[in-house]
Amino acid sequence: GAGVSQSPSNKVTEKGKDVELRCDPISGHTALYWYRQSLGQGLEFLIYFQGNSAPDKSGLPSDRFSAERTGGSVSTLTIQRTQQEDSAVYLCASSLGSGTSGRGNEQYFGPGTRLTVT
Amino acid sequence: AQKITQTQPGMFVQEKEAVTLDCTYDTSDPSYGLFWYKQPSSGEMIFLIYQGSYDQQNATEGRYSLNFQKARKSANLVISASQLGDSAMYFCAMREGSGGFKTIFGAGTRLFVKA
Repeated sequence: GAGVSQSPSNKVTEKGKDVELRCDPISGHTALYWYRQSLGQGLEFLIYFQGNSAPDKSGLPSDRFSAERTGGSVSTLTIQRTQQEDSAVYLCASSLGSGTSGRGNEQYFGPGTRLTVT
Repeated sequence: AQKITQTQPGMFVQEKEAVTLDCTYDTSDPSYGLFWYKQPSSGEMIFLIYQGSYDQQNATEGRYSLNFQKARKSANLVISASQLGDSAMYFCAMREGSGGFKTIFGAGTRLFVKA
């Protein structure tokens, strides 16, 4: 079946502009995650959605960042008034969402969106 | 707060030999899950192996095994019979049972397999 898809694959924007990044998870996966990965670095947790529960936004670095998930499927990460330090690869992942820390919650990642703020 | 530490920024291994990638974690939650992911130079993250805190046996998936030492809070990844295609970044990650689905990743270890 289809994996996690993200669009656009690359985005170049000017400082101060708003950007929207899209993620389409695997069908049937109830959990969806956003991460940020700076060049050569690890993954920084941003936010996750699980079913109809309130999202865990604890990783969002500032109020310029927001995300929504419509209809329990597609998610959009929005960055307002972009800054140069926002330049990174933004990765989306989804998982079955069953249980808590158990099996079935390995994450399947999309190819990422490379954001460059000039 | 949960924390993942990978102290080896880079590792070299000869093809066909085994290699161990270190991961230590810190949590006060008795229920947690540990994951290893591989990220080749192409960029996609690939799930490798999972270990639950209550699992009695170390996890194995093909050439991957997890050396889980709960008392030491370590979850090292062992790759047997290394292949050139194993050259990649490897990330250790953890989810706490009380933390919902929030997952924290370590800084990663870059593995180089030499022919």
